[in-house]
Amino acid sequence: AQSVTQLDSQVPVFEEAPVELRCNYSSSVSVYLFWYVQYPNQGLQLLLKYLSGSTLVESINGFEAEFNKSQTSFHLRKPSVHISDTAEYFCAVGSMDSSYKLIFGSGTRLLVRP
Amino acid sequence: SQTIHQWPATLVQPVGSPLSLECTVEGTSNPNLYWYRQAAGRGLQLLFYSVGIGQISSEVPQNLSASRPQDRQFILSSKKLLLSDSGFYLCAWTIEVTEAFFGQGTRLTVV
Repeated sequence: AQSVTQLDSQVPVFEEAPVELRCNYSSSVSVYLFWYVQYPNQGLQLLLKYLSGSTLVESINGFEAEFNKSQTSFHLRKPSVHISDTAEYFCAVGSMDSSYKLIFGSGTRLLVRP
Repeated sequence: SQTIHQWPATLVQPVGSPLSLECTVEGTSNPNLYWYRQAAGRGLQLLFYSVGIGQISSEVPQNLSASRPQDRQFILSSKKLLLSDSGFYLCAWTIEVTEAFFGQGTRLTVV
């Protein structure tokens, strides 16, 4: 069985402050890990993903996430947020086995204030 | 390039009426296909997924069913809609689940 937990439903921060969005998962099989972002009134976009190799992955807009196997976590961080980062962020895990099951967390709404 | 089509964009249906939402993928073969429902505070709930024609895995027992009659076609259905079926439905596809691509979604309102 798989599960994804995003404990924070909403994270308010001031512009230029650092932020961390938490994601923990459980799975009986090896998984790929993802962060997707949904801007207001838009569809889901891939932000970054961990498939293999370096446990630290980065996006083009300054976000990064680190895969921690021992803690089964994949937290998303940004050292300095912008107003335009206001969106909902979803953590997801995909099964590497032949089921190719892909499940998402409940989402974290990042609200960046001026 | 690959594209995914999902329709209709919005739908208003009376309670007890049937439902059929269709999703098709172009530009790839043998994709894994998924149906999700997005509700506020609950994220994306996986409803059904399929790794091949006629192969459907159900995640949540409910008033819905799914079918995959062709390699790149995934259909979400209901015989009789309930008020609780209202929501935003998303179709997605992957190849070996290394990245998911989503349709634009269908906003279903059951009245």
